[in-house]
Amino acid sequence: TQLLEQSPQFLSIQEGENLTVYCNSSSVFSSLQWYRQEPGEGPVLLVTVVTGGEVKKLKRLTFQFGDARKDSSLHITAAQTGDTGLYLCAGATAGNQFYFGTGTSLTVIP
Amino acid sequence: SQTIHQWPATLVQPVGSPLSLECTVEGTSNPNLYWYRQAAGRGLQLLFYSVGIGQISSEVPQNLSASRPQDRQFILSSKKLLLSDSGFYLCAWNRAFSGYEQYFGPGTRLTVT
Repeated sequence: TQLLEQSPQFLSIQEGENLTVYCNSSSVFSSLQWYRQEPGEGPVLLVTVVTGGEVKKLKRLTFQFGDARKDSSLHITAAQTGDTGLYLCAGATAGNQFYFGTGTSLTVIP
Repeated sequence: SQTIHQWPATLVQPVGSPLSLECTVEGTSNPNLYWYRQAAGRGLQLLFYSVGIGQISSEVPQNLSASRPQDRQFILSSKKLLLSDSGFYLCAWNRAFSGYEQYFGPGTRLTVT
């Protein structure tokens, strides 16, 4: 089993603050995805990173893939209440299997 | 465009009863298909995945089974449900051979009583 650990597990911040979520593993992945999930719904893909050291920006969200392709981070600048949700990372293997992280539940307080 | 459907949306079943959850994908052919289970507020546990009709790989030995009778249809079943089978079941697909991303259905909330 390729375990992906996310930290923190829970995060509650004020609107306008910055935050970083981490996704770590001892395994190497072909790619890594970040998803956001609302209660009672399926996860929605935010981004895919493929190359070690890659950085992608999606408006106020910045995603980074570690050089060794074992870890990733998600940084949110000036959080908004609409950012509230469960953030999940997922590592994909060359065999097209996906292993999901333990999840980070983010609450942005107005 | 591609869409993925799951039904039912919610299900309450007694212990020992059978289960059948269905997932269908539209707008693509020969997708990889996946079944996941999610505990409340936590990550997803991969249960089964399929790269083609009749081809099922199981990640976790348990009380559940999966079948793929048609290219874009994936079914999760159980002969006798346990209390521990309660959870949020998600179906997902991605493109064969080149799909890094997965796309999820709306999920089924199963409560075993």
